[in-house]
Amino acid sequence: SQQGEEDPQALSIQEGENATMNCSYKTSINNLQWYRQNSGRGLVHLILIRSNEREKHSGRLRVTLDTSKKSSSLLITASRAADTASYFCATAQPGGFQKLVFGTGTRLLVSP
Amino acid sequence: DTEVTQTPKHLVMGMTNKKSLKCEQHMGHRAMYWYKQKAKKPPELMFVYSYEKLSINESVPSRFSPECPNSSLLNLHLHALQPEDSALYLCASSQAPTQETQYFGPGTRLLVL
Repeated sequence: SQQGEEDPQALSIQEGENATMNCSYKTSINNLQWYRQNSGRGLVHLILIRSNEREKHSGRLRVTLDTSKKSSSLLITASRAADTASYFCATAQPGGFQKLVFGTGTRLLVSP
Repeated sequence: DTEVTQTPKHLVMGMTNKKSLKCEQHMGHRAMYWYKQKAKKPPELMFVYSYEKLSINESVPSRFSPECPNSSLLNLHLHALQPEDSALYLCASSQAPTQETQYFGPGTRLLVL
């Protein structure tokens, strides 16, 4: 399977703390994206980082990419209860259609 | 309008039934996707439509039959499903097949009895 691995599988923190989740993948990529999913519903696109980028920021989100290690991390700073969700990384391979291959996901619980 | 809508939200069907899932977007996107997601698992790509033509079929069983009647609408016809087909079915769209960001609908939760 081309599926990426994410760790931790589950993460429980208090409001105000930072949350870090990691993604490892197996093949060359064109870009890596992070999505959020609330309670088994639709996914929401959070951020995209291209293979020639090393770090990207969007609001409270910071994403890093290390193509030599085939890994990425998502940092959510100053977490809120509303950040409680599952987070998936998704990779797109070079060329052609953007077939997204999703990682196994991290379930984040932020307690008030 | 940046929304992908899916109907129905929930569907229960028997193994001999025929039913259809519907997905709609009015963002002018020319690529549309069907994903299947089992509980506590990541979404898995089923089909990709590009400019209303089926471009990718990820070896999906023929009891799932996709259809793209026009650029805004995507259907998934279901027939003779098995209980293991019970899952959340997600539709997504992107501006073009090579465009990176995909916009997802809320999904249809399907239960096959």
